[in-house]
Amino acid sequence: SAVISQKPSRDICQRGTSLTIQCQVDSQVTMMFWYRQQPGQSLTLIATANQGSEATYESGFVIDKFPISRPNLTFSTLTVSNMSPEDSSIYLCSVGTGLNEQYFGPGTRLTVT
Amino acid sequence: QKEVEQDPGPLSVPEGAIVSLNCTYSNSAFQYFMWYRQYSRKGPELLMYTYSSGNKEDGRFTAQVDKSSKYISLFIRDSQPSDSATYLCAMWAGNMLTFGGGTRLMVKP
Repeated sequence: SAVISQKPSRDICQRGTSLTIQCQVDSQVTMMFWYRQQPGQSLTLIATANQGSEATYESGFVIDKFPISRPNLTFSTLTVSNMSPEDSSIYLCSVGTGLNEQYFGPGTRLTVT
Repeated sequence: QKEVEQDPGPLSVPEGAIVSLNCTYSNSAFQYFMWYRQYSRKGPELLMYTYSSGNKEDGRFTAQVDKSSKYISLFIRDSQPSDSATYLCAMWAGNMLTFGGGTRLMVKP
């Protein structure tokens, strides 16, 4: 199993600012994923982050808005840039080594005013 | 139309009841089917993972897949208040997980 921590757990931010979310895993993993869970909605994959390469973004998500860093095999950051109220959501970090081994962090609850 | 549909609930049942949670999907490419449980202010945790049509049992939980009808179910026997959570179905088509919107379950003592 993998234990994942995220910082911050929640934040309230003003429109137009940026927030960087940190994800720390207790073991080395190749693939890390960032999801968004909007109120009452399902989880939506933002991007996949592999160490040593550029993140791969899903349709509807762009690097300028959600830049990702993956400096090593246990850590990643997601930045939500130039925030608007529509970015209010829970952002979740996930790691996986197989379909039956997908682990999620506790999430970062973001409110943009 | 969403690829994966799931009734959001909430579903409220008395303790000890049998709970049935369901998802329908439209993408025939989905091959693997999962159920996640998410407690309030926590990340999802994997409950069940199935590949083929049929049933898979794990303790009080049974996952059922009907690929011909594009319909999956999760049954919880002898439900407990600790089962109160949001249950998300998820499906894999080779490169990413697609989640349902989740069903909120409340088991009342």
